[in-house]
Amino acid sequence: DAGVIQSPRHEVTEMGQEVTLRCKPISGHDYLFWYRQTMMRGLELLIYFNNNVPIDDSGMPEDRFSAKMPNASFSTLKIQPSEPRDSAVYFCASSWGGISGNTIYFGEGSWLTVV
Amino acid sequence: GNSVTQMEGPVTLSEEAFLTINCTYTATGYPSLFWYVQYPGEGLQLLLKATKADDKGSNKGFEATYRKETTSFHLEKGSVQVSDSAVYFCALTLGRSYGGSQGNLIFGKGTKLSVKP
Repeated sequence: DAGVIQSPRHEVTEMGQEVTLRCKPISGHDYLFWYRQTMMRGLELLIYFNNNVPIDDSGMPEDRFSAKMPNASFSTLKIQPSEPRDSAVYFCASSWGGISGNTIYFGEGSWLTVV
Repeated sequence: GNSVTQMEGPVTLSEEAFLTINCTYTATGYPSLFWYVQYPGEGLQLLLKATKADDKGSNKGFEATYRKETTSFHLEKGSVQVSDSAVYFCALTLGRSYGGSQGNLIFGKGTKLSVKP
């Protein structure tokens, strides 16, 4: 079975450019999460969706970040304009029924470098 | 606030050595506790979990016991292998009645383990 699929795996972009990260969750999962991993702050939840509806976006750092989930099989995380401090690994994850008692499956991450 | 504290790495062991990675937490109510593992270049995978006090989670020779009295969830393995080299994350989630949400896994900073042959 295919796991959570993220693209691109690696991206290097210049400051000020728009960055779009993509995620395909595991089929049948009703929760989708976006996490960011940095050396300084570790793993942070940015936003999560339930049945394509954003439930909690309190972790989104600022208005430059936006996330959408137009259907059950696709989500995007967009940064516009990008800044060097956005450099991080961005993980998408999905689960069935949330995380309280269920397994959350992570993608392999999108490694973003903003120069 | 709610948080997870892990021992700082890196931890370097010889093959077949005993492993302990300490994890303590601060949380309101009764959290569920998790250990995740991240192999180089990959995403995180759930290693084991425990949802109530005194529960023991186990998988692939790893185990951890939910100790409410010491607010700890230490990860142990009796004999590590080179293939266990990875970063290990302790995490918790709160129940909804304690202000948690279905999405908020709170992670520790991670502990890098290197096992030498």
